[in-house]
Amino acid sequence: EVQLVESGGGLENPGGSLRLSCAASGFTFNNAWMSWARQAPGKGLEWVGRIKTKTEGGTVEYAAPVKGRFSISRDDSKNMVYLQMNSLKTEDTAVYYCTTYRLSVTKHFDGLDTWGQGTMVTVSS
Amino acid sequence: DIQMTQSPSSVSASVGDRVTITCQASQGIITRLAWYQQKPGKAPKLLIYAASSLQNGVPSRFSGSGSGTHFTLTISSLQPEDFATYYCQQTNIFPLNFGQGTRLEIK
Repeated sequence: EVQLVESGGGLENPGGSLRLSCAASGFTFNNAWMSWARQAPGKGLEWVGRIKTKTEGGTVEYAAPVKGRFSISRDDSKNMVYLQMNSLKTEDTAVYYCTTYRLSVTKHFDGLDTWGQGTMVTVSS
Repeated sequence: DIQMTQSPSSVSASVGDRVTITCQASQGIITRLAWYQQKPGKAPKLLIYAASSLQNGVPSRFSGSGSGTHFTLTISSLQPEDFATYYCQQTNIFPLNFGQGTRLEIK
Protein backbone atom coordinates (compact mmCIF):
# COMPACT_ATOMS: atom_id res chain seq x y z
CA GLU A 1 0.00 0.00 0.00
CA VAL A 2 1.34 3.42 -0.94
CA GLN A 3 1.66 5.51 2.20
CA LEU A 4 2.97 8.96 3.08
CA VAL A 5 3.31 10.09 6.68
CA GLU A 6 4.19 13.69 7.51
CA SER A 7 5.69 14.91 10.75
CA GLY A 8 7.38 17.97 12.20
CA GLY A 9 4.51 20.44 12.35
CA GLY A 10 3.85 22.65 15.33
CA LEU A 11 3.78 26.21 16.61
CA GLU A 12 6.54 28.59 15.57
CA ASN A 13 7.12 32.32 15.90
CA PRO A 14 7.15 34.59 12.87
CA GLY A 15 10.66 34.63 11.45
CA GLY A 16 11.39 31.16 12.79
CA SER A 17 12.11 27.88 11.05
CA LEU A 18 10.58 24.41 10.90
CA ARG A 19 11.48 21.27 9.01
CA LEU A 20 8.73 18.95 7.91
CA SER A 21 9.44 15.33 7.10
CA CYS A 22 7.54 12.86 4.99
CA ALA A 23 8.13 9.12 5.24
CA ALA A 24 7.19 7.19 2.11
CA SER A 25 6.47 3.49 1.74
CA GLY A 26 4.80 1.06 -0.63
CA PHE A 27 6.40 2.27 -3.86
CA THR A 28 9.81 2.76 -5.48
CA PHE A 29 10.64 6.07 -3.84
CA ASN A 30 13.79 6.87 -5.80
CA ASN A 31 11.74 6.80 -9.02
CA ALA A 32 9.07 9.18 -7.71
CA TRP A 33 8.74 12.91 -8.12
CA MET A 34 7.45 14.32 -4.85
CA SER A 35 5.52 17.45 -3.95
CA TRP A 36 4.21 19.51 -1.06
CA ALA A 37 0.86 21.28 -0.93
CA ARG A 38 -0.81 23.24 1.85
CA GLN A 39 -4.22 24.37 3.03
CA ALA A 40 -4.77 27.31 5.35
CA PRO A 41 -7.57 26.84 7.90
CA GLY A 42 -10.94 27.04 6.16
CA LYS A 43 -9.30 27.85 2.82
CA GLY A 44 -8.53 26.11 -0.45
CA LEU A 45 -5.53 24.14 -1.63
CA GLU A 46 -2.20 25.69 -2.59
CA TRP A 47 0.67 23.94 -4.35
CA VAL A 48 3.98 24.62 -2.59
CA GLY A 49 6.66 22.89 -4.65
CA ARG A 50 8.04 19.69 -6.12
CA ILE A 51 11.29 17.77 -6.46
CA LYS A 52 12.33 15.46 -9.27
CA THR A 53 14.25 12.22 -8.83
CA LYS A 54 18.00 12.27 -8.20
CA THR A 55 18.66 10.67 -11.58
CA GLU A 56 16.75 13.51 -13.19
CA GLY A 57 18.80 16.06 -11.32
CA GLY A 58 16.67 16.48 -8.21
CA THR A 59 15.39 19.73 -9.69
CA VAL A 60 13.01 21.69 -7.51
CA GLU A 61 10.30 24.21 -8.32
CA TYR A 62 8.47 26.44 -5.85
CA ALA A 63 5.36 28.57 -5.69
CA ALA A 64 6.08 32.30 -5.57
CA PRO A 65 4.89 32.86 -1.95
CA VAL A 66 7.52 30.42 -0.60
CA LYS A 67 10.37 30.81 -3.09
CA GLY A 68 13.58 31.84 -1.36
CA ARG A 69 12.24 30.81 2.08
CA PHE A 70 11.30 27.15 1.66
CA SER A 71 13.49 24.33 0.44
CA ILE A 72 12.53 20.80 -0.60
CA SER A 73 15.03 17.96 -0.38
CA ARG A 74 15.00 14.17 -0.44
CA ASP A 75 16.95 11.28 1.05
CA ASP A 76 16.40 8.22 -1.12
CA SER A 77 18.34 5.99 1.32
CA LYS A 78 15.63 6.67 3.90
CA ASN A 79 12.62 7.09 1.60
CA MET A 80 12.15 10.58 3.00
CA VAL A 81 11.29 13.98 1.59
CA TYR A 82 11.68 17.20 3.56
CA LEU A 83 10.33 20.72 3.54
CA GLN A 84 12.65 23.21 5.25
CA MET A 85 10.69 26.36 6.05
CA ASN A 86 12.62 29.49 7.01
CA SER A 87 11.57 33.08 7.68
CA LEU A 88 8.10 31.87 8.52
CA LYS A 89 5.20 34.26 8.19
CA THR A 90 1.74 34.16 9.77
CA GLU A 91 0.31 33.45 6.31
CA ASP A 92 2.27 30.18 6.21
CA THR A 93 -0.14 28.80 8.82
CA ALA A 94 -1.69 25.73 7.18
CA VAL A 95 -1.92 21.98 7.03
CA TYR A 96 1.00 20.78 4.94
CA TYR A 97 0.57 17.71 2.78
CA CYS A 98 3.24 15.53 1.22
CA THR A 99 2.14 14.07 -2.11
CA THR A 100 3.35 11.92 -4.95
CA TYR A 101 3.45 13.44 -8.40
CA ARG A 102 1.62 11.50 -11.10
CA LEU A 103 3.46 11.67 -14.43
CA SER A 104 2.23 10.88 -17.91
CA VAL A 105 4.25 8.60 -20.21
CA THR A 106 5.84 11.78 -21.59
CA LYS A 107 6.83 12.87 -18.05
CA HIS A 108 4.23 15.59 -17.87
CA PHE A 109 2.55 16.35 -14.57
CA ASP A 110 -0.93 14.81 -14.42
CA GLY A 111 -1.91 15.35 -10.78
CA LEU A 112 -1.07 14.75 -7.13
CA ASP A 113 -2.11 11.14 -6.76
CA THR A 114 -1.24 10.07 -3.22
CA TRP A 115 -1.50 12.36 -0.22
CA GLY A 116 -0.35 12.03 3.35
CA GLN A 117 -2.64 12.86 6.26
CA GLY A 118 -1.07 16.29 6.67
CA THR A 119 0.76 18.07 9.47
CA MET A 120 -0.39 21.38 10.96
CA VAL A 121 1.97 24.35 11.04
CA THR A 122 0.95 27.40 13.05
CA VAL A 123 2.96 30.59 12.81
CA SER A 124 2.02 32.98 15.57
CA SER A 125 3.60 35.05 18.30
CA ASP B 1 0.08 32.82 -13.65
CA ILE B 2 -2.98 30.86 -14.77
CA GLN B 3 -6.02 31.58 -12.62
CA MET B 4 -8.61 28.84 -12.12
CA THR B 5 -12.21 29.81 -11.40
CA GLN B 6 -14.78 27.25 -10.29
CA SER B 7 -18.54 27.62 -10.35
CA PRO B 8 -20.66 27.39 -8.45
CA SER B 9 -18.89 27.97 -5.12
CA SER B 10 -21.46 25.73 -3.48
CA VAL B 11 -24.33 23.57 -4.64
CA SER B 12 -27.08 21.66 -2.85
CA ALA B 13 -28.31 18.42 -4.35
CA SER B 14 -30.05 15.19 -3.42
CA VAL B 15 -28.95 11.57 -3.62
CA GLY B 16 -29.51 10.38 -7.17
CA ASP B 17 -29.16 13.82 -8.74
CA ARG B 18 -26.82 14.63 -11.61
CA VAL B 19 -24.42 17.43 -10.73
CA THR B 20 -22.00 19.39 -12.89
CA ILE B 21 -19.19 21.62 -11.62
CA THR B 22 -17.37 23.99 -13.94
CA CYS B 23 -13.75 25.12 -13.95
CA GLN B 24 -12.52 27.98 -16.13
CA ALA B 25 -8.82 28.66 -16.82
CA SER B 26 -7.61 32.21 -17.48
CA GLN B 27 -5.67 30.93 -20.47
CA GLY B 28 -5.63 27.78 -22.54
CA ILE B 29 -4.26 24.65 -20.87
CA ILE B 30 -5.24 22.07 -23.53
CA THR B 31 -6.40 19.09 -21.41
CA ARG B 32 -3.99 19.58 -18.55
CA LEU B 33 -6.47 19.60 -15.71
CA ALA B 34 -7.02 17.48 -12.62
CA TRP B 35 -10.01 17.19 -10.28
CA TYR B 36 -9.85 16.34 -6.57
CA GLN B 37 -12.38 15.46 -3.89
CA GLN B 38 -11.84 16.48 -0.28
CA LYS B 39 -13.96 15.45 2.69
CA PRO B 40 -13.85 17.40 5.98
CA GLY B 41 -10.69 16.71 7.97
CA LYS B 42 -9.26 14.48 5.25
CA ALA B 43 -6.61 14.82 2.58
CA PRO B 44 -7.73 15.45 -0.99
CA LYS B 45 -8.13 12.53 -3.36
CA LEU B 46 -7.30 12.62 -7.07
CA LEU B 47 -10.39 11.78 -9.11
CA ILE B 48 -9.58 12.73 -12.69
CA TYR B 49 -6.43 13.68 -14.56
CA ALA B 50 -5.79 14.91 -18.09
CA ALA B 51 -9.29 16.43 -17.99
CA SER B 52 -11.16 13.18 -18.57
CA SER B 53 -9.11 10.16 -17.38
CA LEU B 54 -10.48 8.43 -14.30
CA GLN B 55 -7.96 7.66 -11.57
CA ASN B 56 -7.79 3.98 -10.57
CA GLY B 57 -10.53 3.03 -8.14
CA VAL B 58 -12.73 6.07 -8.77
CA PRO B 59 -16.36 5.14 -9.49
CA SER B 60 -17.53 5.52 -13.07
CA ARG B 61 -20.31 7.94 -12.03
CA PHE B 62 -17.55 10.58 -12.02
CA SER B 63 -16.55 11.98 -15.39
CA GLY B 64 -14.60 14.95 -16.67
CA SER B 65 -14.57 16.79 -19.94
CA GLY B 66 -13.29 19.91 -21.61
CA SER B 67 -10.20 21.41 -23.18
CA GLY B 68 -8.66 24.80 -23.63
CA THR B 69 -10.17 27.00 -20.95
CA HIS B 70 -13.49 25.34 -20.04
CA PHE B 71 -13.81 22.12 -18.08
CA THR B 72 -16.53 20.22 -16.27
CA LEU B 73 -16.76 17.54 -13.61
CA THR B 74 -20.00 15.58 -13.67
CA ILE B 75 -21.35 13.16 -11.08
CA SER B 76 -24.07 11.20 -12.83
CA SER B 77 -26.01 9.93 -9.82
CA LEU B 78 -25.01 11.37 -6.46
CA GLN B 79 -24.27 8.95 -3.66
CA PRO B 80 -24.16 9.86 0.04
CA GLU B 81 -20.36 9.56 0.08
CA ASP B 82 -20.01 12.15 -2.71
CA PHE B 83 -20.91 15.11 -0.52
CA ALA B 84 -17.57 16.89 -0.25
CA THR B 85 -15.58 19.80 -1.65
CA TYR B 86 -14.19 19.52 -5.17
CA TYR B 87 -11.15 21.31 -6.56
CA CYS B 88 -9.74 21.64 -10.05
CA GLN B 89 -6.03 22.17 -10.67
CA GLN B 90 -4.26 23.16 -13.85
CA THR B 91 -1.32 20.85 -14.53
CA ASN B 92 0.10 22.73 -17.49
CA ILE B 93 2.64 25.24 -16.17
CA PHE B 94 4.04 26.49 -12.87
CA PRO B 95 2.57 27.56 -10.54
CA LEU B 96 0.15 24.64 -10.47
CA ASN B 97 -2.83 26.63 -9.26
CA PHE B 98 -6.03 25.20 -7.88
CA GLY B 99 -9.54 26.55 -8.20
CA GLN B 100 -11.15 27.94 -5.08
CA GLY B 101 -13.29 24.85 -4.54
CA THR B 102 -16.94 23.87 -4.89
CA ARG B 103 -18.77 22.60 -1.83
CA LEU B 104 -21.36 19.96 -2.64
CA GLU B 105 -23.98 19.78 0.11
CA ILE B 106 -26.98 17.62 0.80
CA LYS B 107 -30.33 19.25 -0.01
